[in-house]
Amino acid sequence: EVQLVESGGGLVQPGGSLRLSCVASGFTFRSSWMTWIRQAPGKGLELVANINEDGSQRYHLGSLKGRFTISRDNARNSLYLEMSSLAVEDTAVYYCTTDSGYSTFNYWGHGTLVTVSS
Amino acid sequence: QSALTQPRSVSGSPGQSVAISCTGTNSDVGAYDYVSWYQQHPGKAPKLVIYDVYKRPSGVPDRFSGSKSGNTASLTVSGLQAEDEADYYCCSYPSGFGGGTKLTVL
Repeated sequence: EVQLVESGGGLVQPGGSLRLSCVASGFTFRSSWMTWIRQAPGKGLELVANINEDGSQRYHLGSLKGRFTISRDNARNSLYLEMSSLAVEDTAVYYCTTDSGYSTFNYWGHGTLVTVSS
Repeated sequence: QSALTQPRSVSGSPGQSVAISCTGTNSDVGAYDYVSWYQQHPGKAPKLVIYDVYKRPSGVPDRFSGSKSGNTASLTVSGLQAEDEADYYCCSYPSGFGGGTKLTVL
């Protein structure tokens, strides 16, 4: 059974930083593209970043202006999202997903809530 | 502003069929057969129900079907059941997600 378990969310002040983690099991992690998708309260889904199997290719949402960085550790079956200079509009549930390519996100974690507020 | 346009809401009675549209452009929906659909119940993570326009993942009932014509993709839910009441999101390569549609079972 595929499992994706996110952690690291919480309350942070504007301008602060946070690191999200996602531990994967039940599939061959090192052979899978992975993606972070977020959902602001009461809003729709937004692709934040994705990364290829060995981490050599990464895409980040342009509007993030370099504040977020996706990475992975295949030895630990883990996906990460480093977030800095956080703003109120970054408040959202962040989901870790598998990515079989061409906008197909097969499996989703339960999500971790990031709240940016003073 | 979402990349793809979906109706905000649709509704139907149990047993009926409803269709949810997803309109893009000739650079995304119209150009590629890479449209996926996701079902999201309140407080839950989204779940993939259709990919590559019409393919169903294992375990998804055949009441869910997908199609495409020109720049518009559609998700049809036949034989509506109470548990189908949820938000539905389309997604198309390379543009991203639609704004979501709330399906209400009357």
